[in-house]
Amino acid sequence: DQQVKQNSPSLSVQEGRISILNCDYTNSMFDYFLWYKKYPAEGPTFLISISSIKDKNEDGRFTVFLNKSAKHLSLHIVPSQPGDSAVYFCAASVNYGQNFVFGPGTRLSVLP
Amino acid sequence: GAVVSQHPSWVICKSGTSVKIECRSLDFQATTMFWYRQFPKQSLMLMATSNEGSKATYEQGVEKDKFLINHASLTLSTLTVTSAHPEDSSFYICSASQAPYNEQFFGPGTRLTVL
Repeated sequence: DQQVKQNSPSLSVQEGRISILNCDYTNSMFDYFLWYKKYPAEGPTFLISISSIKDKNEDGRFTVFLNKSAKHLSLHIVPSQPGDSAVYFCAASVNYGQNFVFGPGTRLSVLP
Repeated sequence: GAVVSQHPSWVICKSGTSVKIECRSLDFQATTMFWYRQFPKQSLMLMATSNEGSKATYEQGVEKDKFLINHASLTLSTLTVTSAHPEDSSFYICSASQAPYNEQFFGPGTRLTVL
């Protein structure tokens, strides 16, 4: 049973528009959430995180929203750039721990 | 940012042989290292967590005798896939963190193909 779900395997967005990547989780004990970005043949790189005491965290073009009651988080990228094209993983942990459970990823393609 | 390397980046081996994958933190001391496995189009699955100088903690369903992990120093952890079989073919990624609850930095991964 997948504890972290990313129901869209892929997403295409026009350059300059907003990209919205969604993530749902089932374990109510998760209290720390992260987004990672992964290019082919490279390891994931940390993008942005949010703890369960917040509902929004912003870093430049990237904003993560957390809706605890819906067990849902989303990553907004605006404006989207071609260099943002990658696979985005949502990850979650319990007690702010390091044992992350990853979602299956969403492949974002930003079209010029 | 902190750099984590993996060696080799790609390995092909015959069924029944053992393969060792190295994970190094190049510019920081990693008290904790993690090993993940990724199947095509699937998520990263945590296999085990290792702390320097102690035995690795394996996730449920991961055979500790098949996937031997050694974290002998603060900059090096190794994963040995023993008696590899074709179903072990996968992308193996390590990550390292300087301290508990610190950010994890990922290596570039190792693609293992077992013939």
